[in-house]
Amino acid sequence: ETGVTQSPTHLIKTRGQQVTLRCSSQSGHNTVSWYQQALGQGPQFIFQYYREEENGRGNFPPRFSGLQFPNYSSELNVNALELDDSALYLCASSSRAGASYNEQFFGPGTRLTVL
Amino acid sequence: AQRVTQPEKLLSVFKGAPVELKCNYSYSGSPELFWYVQYSRQRLQLLLRHISRESIKGFTADLNKGETSFHLKKPFAQEEDSAMYYCALKDSGGSNYKLTFGKGTLLTVNP
Repeated sequence: ETGVTQSPTHLIKTRGQQVTLRCSSQSGHNTVSWYQQALGQGPQFIFQYYREEENGRGNFPPRFSGLQFPNYSSELNVNALELDDSALYLCASSSRAGASYNEQFFGPGTRLTVL
Repeated sequence: AQRVTQPEKLLSVFKGAPVELKCNYSYSGSPELFWYVQYSRQRLQLLLRHISRESIKGFTADLNKGETSFHLKKPFAQEEDSAMYYCALKDSGGSNYKLTFGKGTLLTVNP
């Protein structure tokens, strides 16, 4: 069984640029959630994807967007990067059957630095 | 709005001593509470959830709705327990699996 993987591991961008982060969900999982973890903070929910559609969103502006693909992998896109976007971005996958969710499994994260 | 508070950023104990990591929550509905742990150079992983009422690696946590708390306890700390611990809350009635995390407590168990 393959765990959640994320790419790239590290990324450096400048203000105003755009970035795409990728996540491969664990085998058998159909739901992907993205979290932002700023330094010294706990993870903060960005949004969740289920069956290729956004299924809940946290308090993040529209320049944070995402996709989920038929194989349940996912992308997080951030436009017009700001310095405060510097953080560790975590992806978590889980399996959902109807209204029932199972445990979320986290990936290792992508460290984004915005200069 | 739901909120999770972990009042201690750092907690240091000696091996064999009892340890308690505090977690308080603010939520109007019926929450599900979790403890997640992150060991050095490892990914975030679930330690335990209140609905399971289980003990994992000697840790237990009881949900106290009157005090809105979900403190994590272990009677005898081990050096391998040193890690970052996060308390998290999920809206049990929500249509998605959104977790709200506290800021975390770094536990150091000294030899």
